[in-house]
Amino acid sequence: KQEVTQIPAALSVPEGENLVLNCSFTDSAIYNLQWFRQDPGKGLTSLLLIQSSQREQTSGRLNASLDKSSGRSTLYIAASQPGDSATYLCAVSSGTGRRALTFGSGTRLQVQP
Amino acid sequence: GAGVSQTPSNKVTEKGKYVELRCDPISGHTALYWYRQSLGQGPEFLIYFQGTGAADDSGLPNDRFFAVRPEGSVSTLKIQRTERGDSAVYLCASSAGLAGAGYEQYFGPGTRLTVT
Repeated sequence: KQEVTQIPAALSVPEGENLVLNCSFTDSAIYNLQWFRQDPGKGLTSLLLIQSSQREQTSGRLNASLDKSSGRSTLYIAASQPGDSATYLCAVSSGTGRRALTFGSGTRLQVQP
Repeated sequence: GAGVSQTPSNKVTEKGKYVELRCDPISGHTALYWYRQSLGQGPEFLIYFQGTGAADDSGLPNDRFFAVRPEGSVSTLKIQRTERGDSAVYLCASSAGLAGAGYEQYFGPGTRLTVT
């Protein structure tokens, strides 16, 4: 059974800092990995999708990397802003069994102005 | 274009009642997923449809939960004899194809269900 872990559970940084969020998964047989953002009381906004054959994806100040063999992904946020404050969720689509996404519990990010 | 929509946004019901939650996927998306999110946790898979059929319902917690997608578009999640433990945010997602083919899932805003 696929399990996804996100570290740290919560993070508080001053504005302008670069930061890294970590995600690990137990079964490396995945189709893809998605990073999402969730604001309080809201749904999920997809940030980046990395296919299993890819090593990284970039969108603006965000860069996500994938090391499938070691079961790890990182989300790098450059020059953080207060508007980046949210919960960031990592999810994988496993190559065996269930086709739906398996999520981590998220990292709650607070960027202090 | 329009994203995934879900109605109602909030639902408060008494223990033992029946509820229906609706999801309108992005037009043309063949795959539709239901997830449930408890406070402080990531979403957990319930069921997914490919077209009109439930391709995998292994995430449904028990037989009080049922979902349909009769015309391959709108889906309804039905919960019978609600219990307080059913209180959660129910999220719907759709994609242009199966996750195994690399398609991205797009999520709706969710329905917050509270069972009193």
